[in-house]
Amino acid sequence: SQQGEEDPQALSIQEGENATMNCSYKTSINNLQWYRQNSGRGLVHLILIRSNEREKHSGRLRVTLDTSKKSSSLLITASRAADTASYFCATGGGNKLTFGTGTQLKVEL
Amino acid sequence: NAGVMQNPRHLVRRRGQEARLRCSPMKGHSHVYWYRQLPEEGLKFMVYLQKENIIDESGMPKERFSAEFPKEGPSILRIQQVVRGDSAAYFCASSPPGTSGIYEQYFGPGTRLTVT
Repeated sequence: SQQGEEDPQALSIQEGENATMNCSYKTSINNLQWYRQNSGRGLVHLILIRSNEREKHSGRLRVTLDTSKKSSSLLITASRAADTASYFCATGGGNKLTFGTGTQLKVEL
Repeated sequence: NAGVMQNPRHLVRRRGQEARLRCSPMKGHSHVYWYRQLPEEGLKFMVYLQKENIIDESGMPKERFSAEFPKEGPSILRIQQVVRGDSAAYFCASSPPGTSGIYEQYFGPGTRLTVT
């Protein structure tokens, strides 16, 4: 079974709006990562947040982590059409990553 | 610096044939991981290898699947006697050597296997 579950499964917004995706996981973690996957492509690493961090920023991305609730959120501000992709959270470290089921984001002009 | 390379990008096999998927990690990376992605699903871990060693194969099906990462050359994921259920995208990832256990993985573009 998947360690992470993203919510929502799909999200459609207008360009310029913010997009928020959530991820819940089950076991304790060392870190949590977010990846993006464009249709038919491989995954691109976006951001890694460690278990002792609560918030991290990278450009238009903001990630939060709440270990007490076993959840994380990814916020994309001022979205662009090029942000259209699937977004996955992944937990683990060491020798393997366990991915969630993903959120399909569509940003419309 | 070239990224993770996988070939072929697309592979079509008939049921019962063998499929060989290749992965060259990023320069300087000694850890290779294979994942499988079924349509509309997330990636699922299959196997983790270092040079000449299989470290964790807990995600590999017990039969027909094997992986290697020789001292020289790419990592190979081999699927014998393919069945339609093997149709999926297979992704390879690599990471640099390290002991902290906290690092990102760099993914290749994937090989899309179709079994007819």
